[in-house]
Amino acid sequence: GESVGLHLPTLSVQEGDNSIINCAYSNSASDYFIWYKQESGKGPQFIIDIRSNMDKRQGQRVTVLLNKTVKHLSLQIAATQPGDSAVYFCASVHGNQFYFGTGTSLTVIP
Amino acid sequence: DVKVTQSSRYLVKRTGEKVFLECVQDMDHENMFWYRQDPGLGLRLIYFSYDVKMKEKGDIPEGYSVSREKKERFSLILESASTNQTSMYLCGVIVMNTEAFFGQGTRLTVV
Repeated sequence: GESVGLHLPTLSVQEGDNSIINCAYSNSASDYFIWYKQESGKGPQFIIDIRSNMDKRQGQRVTVLLNKTVKHLSLQIAATQPGDSAVYFCASVHGNQFYFGTGTSLTVIP
Repeated sequence: DVKVTQSSRYLVKRTGEKVFLECVQDMDHENMFWYRQDPGLGLRLIYFSYDVKMKEKGDIPEGYSVSREKKERFSLILESASTNQTSMYLCGVIVMNTEAFFGQGTRLTVV
């Protein structure tokens, strides 16, 4: 079955620096990937997504990179702010099946 | 965007109690799910529902059952709560097989 993982469990960055959070997936048939942000005591919220026929997608301060050769996904957050502190996890999607990674807890140091 | 509401944010129950966790969406989507979230284990699928009265076991259905009598409501039932079911429970909706919308989560403690 599908597995999604290889997150670092924690990441600390200085305010203003860029953050990079990584994720790996196993199913080469996954056709869609999503990054979620989960703040303490809340449900996960959508950040950005990317289809498997793309290798990069940019949003506001966030960029997702997809490397299908090595089945690797990354989320880059530019100019990290204290409000970015949260758990981030990726999901790979195949059909209507979602497979979630375990998440990386990002702490922004003022 | 679809709004998903879980009936309780925090819940404390005793071992052996029957527990109902309710989840309601404000639209008409077929696919709904229940996950539990535990430190280091991430999200694990308990049950999935494709439509009213249609359900499919996920990865960890033992000790749980579900009910989907109306399209907008998907209930998770702990038949006899145990301490190892202490967890964060997340329900949600899958839209167009491309996006999952989550409720705010229910943190259940079984004592």
